[in-house]
Formats: sequence, C-alpha cells, structure tokens
Amino acid sequence: DAEITQSPRHKITETGRQVTLACHQTWNHNNMFWYRQDLGHGLRLIHYSYGVQDTNKGEVSDGYSVSRSNTEDLPLTLESAASSQTSVYFCASSELAENTGELFFGEGSRLTVL
Amino acid sequence: AQKVTQAQTEISVVEKEDVTLDCVYETRDTTYYLFWYKQPPSGELVFLIRRNSFDEQNEISGRYSWNFQKSTSSFNFTITASQVVDSAVYFCALTMNRDDKIIFGKGTRLHILP
Repeated sequence: DAEITQSPRHKITETGRQVTLACHQTWNHNNMFWYRQDLGHGLRLIHYSYGVQDTNKGEVSDGYSVSRSNTEDLPLTLESAASSQTSVYFCASSELAENTGELFFGEGSRLTVL
Repeated sequence: AQKVTQAQTEISVVEKEDVTLDCVYETRDTTYYLFWYKQPPSGELVFLIRRNSFDEQNEISGRYSWNFQKSTSSFNFTITASQVVDSAVYFCALTMNRDDKIIFGKGTRLHILP
C-alpha cells in the first residue's frame, strides 16, 4: 500500500545544530507539504513543493529550508536549530488532479531543541 | 487573504449529547474546498470530509453531519450521540483550487466525558 513516512519520529537536539527531518511518500504525488503543529496555533505551513525542483515558502518558513530532487522525498532542514522550533512536524502529500487538496499525512516527527 | 477560524478552543460534553463544532472561513476565490480532519490522542491526522464550493448540500455519515452555508461562510460539523472515542482535536481547513495549499484553523479540542 502507498504511504508517507517520516523519520526520525522523535529527536532531541541542541540549539545551533543542523537538523534534517526526512519525508518519503510512495503515492507518486506531485505536491508535498511540511507543517508544524503547536498548541494554540494549529497546523502552520512551513514549505511546500508542487514537483521536482520546485519549492515555495509557507507562512512560517524562517529558519527552515527544503529541497526536492525527486518525486518521493521532501527533506526539511533546520540550518541552526532554535528553541522556538521545538514542535511536532507533519509532512503531507497530495495530487492536484486526483484529490485536489486532500492531504495524506505522515505520522509526525516530534523535535525538541534544548 | 484566506483564513479559517475555529472560535471554540475546547469543548466538553457528556457522552450521548450532540455537539457542533463551528468553522468560519474567508476567501475571495469562487472555487475552493473545505475539509475537516480529526486528530485523536494518538496524534495522527485523519481525513473526515471534503466539500467543494459549488456543493452546498449537507452531508451525513453515520453520527457525523456537516452543514455548509456559503451565505455565512461557515462549514460546521455536528456529532450526534457523541461517544468517548470522539474525543480528539478537530481541524477545519480550506484550500483554493488554484494552488492546492491547505490552510488550517487552530483546531477545537473535544472532550467527551463518560
């Protein structure tokens, strides 16, 4: 069955370190998204991609970057982790033509920055 | 700008009561989609429903029903005869047909008390 997986599921790091969260989907979807979830803020969009070599900033993109070298993967990098980036991160994918906006979510990655 | 407002931060009801979760949205687009997602205590995000802007028919699925009213820009969700398993955070979301980018409300945490 097609799926979307995130790794690691849990990570603790220190302020200033670089962190990469992986996201891999086997749906063959063109669209991929990264959200962060924080109490009182719901889900906020960090970055998104509509296809290979395409990346776009969301509403909370500062301090994050993504790259899309193939259809299946959209890794999220925190160049220099900050305590404000402690959060739960969700990756999602969708297909414009088929599902117009219905997102398939990964299980989430809980990141703690000390 | 697009926006989704879930004014109810937290609701508690006794099991078997009916409960309605409110969702108000803002968009200037004429073609858009509205969603509800459920996030149980286990943390995953579960798709419940998608409704497009041209279909104002109410929908019922078992104990769940949705009331879409363009005149008031609302897409409310009602659970009839609530059960403890309905306890979760519920997110309302909006996407425009032109970009497939989903914007979420802040969520409503629902407690069903036995």
